Formats: sequence, C-alpha cells, structure tokens
Amino acid sequence: AQTVTQSQPEMSVQEAETVTLSCTYDTSESDYYLFWYKQPPSRQMILVIRQEAYKQQNATENRFSVNFQKAAKSFSLKISDSQLGDAAMYFCAYRSDINFGNEKLTFGTGTRLTIIP
Amino acid sequence: DAGITQSPRYKITETGRQVTLMCHQTWSHSYMFWYRQDLGHGLRLIYYSAAADITDKGEVPDGYVVSRSKTENFPLTLESATRSQTSVYFCASSTGQGVYEQYFGPGTRLTVT
Repeated sequence: AQTVTQSQPEMSVQEAETVTLSCTYDTSESDYYLFWYKQPPSRQMILVIRQEAYKQQNATENRFSVNFQKAAKSFSLKISDSQLGDAAMYFCAYRSDINFGNEKLTFGTGTRLTIIP
Repeated sequence: DAGITQSPRYKITETGRQVTLMCHQTWSHSYMFWYRQDLGHGLRLIYYSAAADITDKGEVPDGYVVSRSKTENFPLTLESATRSQTSVYFCASSTGQGVYEQYFGPGTRLTVT
C-alpha cells in the first residue's frame, strides 16, 4: 500500500516570502499522480496543483510550484510571494494510475501554514 | 445549485444511534468517495463507488454502510454510532482516472456523545 508522509506539522512564513512544504511518498508503482490540496479555515478542500509522474517537468500554477523528484519519491510545494490568504492546512495526496479500484487518494497528515503579516 | 453538496453540515448524535450523511453531486461524475478527517491522520478513505450499484471498501470501512442507487447520490450511514466516529466527513466526486481531480463537498462535522 502506498503511504504519504508530511514531516512538518506546522510551518510559518513572513508575508511576501517564499516557503516550501515537504512531502515524501512510498510506492512500487511507476505511473501515478500527485496532488497538493489546500484546506482553509472554511474547511473546503481546494486543489492547488497536480503532477503526473511520467512528466519530468515540474508543475506550476501562478505562485505555486512543485519540486518533483521521482527517484527520491519527493514532491515538495513551493509558495512564492506568500499572501495572507495562503494560510491553511496543506495536504499532499497520491493516486495510482492502475485501472479500476485505484482512483482513491491517499493523503498525508497535513502541514498547517501560518502567514505572518 | 451545481456542484457537490453535503447534508447536514453539523450533526450531534448519541452513541448507538443510526445516522445518515447525505452527499449529492450535479456533475454526473462516475466516481464518488467518502473520507473522514481526524487530527494527525489527514483524510482517510471510508468507501468509494465507481458507478451506481458499485461500491467498495476503503481504508477504514468498519461501522459504516453505503449505497448508490442513483449516480448523483452517495449516502453514508453509521449503523450504530460510536464516539470514535466523531470526525469531519467529506464526500468527493470525480470523472474518472488519470490526472482528474476529485472535487470535495463542504464537509459534515459529526459529534457522537
């Protein structure tokens, strides 16, 4: 079974600075997908960014980018120019690419990000 | 309203009672999921469904029952609630495999006293 580990329960960053959230995963599969979800105080789960394992290029979405190291099984999230609205719990998630029965997500335990004004 | 909705948003029930959490999506997504969120555990999958009348267990299915008679609905029933089932429950849906994201409902906070 796949596991996802987020080793930083809490992090903080000054507004406008850059912060990196760590995520490692364990899998024996070669094809899979990785996601970062954001959960603000409203509790709504919001997709931040996604990465296909077969793509070597790191995904980017505006101020959010990932550092995907497939051999190291690492998938960190970098937030540039941090804003107050980025304060949230961030979850890393894994999904297999194998057919039926593996569409489910496996989540890490989350990192709570605080933005310091 | 379009999207994925859950009801109720908050529920307090007593130990031993049966409670059903509702989930409804308007996108006609094939896949639907139930997760529970607990501090220190992230989100864990309870049950999921690939289509109407097709369901399967996830990581923590004990004490829960699901059904899916219609594509748009995926209710979760706690047959005899226990305090360990106090949690926040999320329903999600997706179109299928690949990089497609799962869309989450707003969550239901359930407290079992």
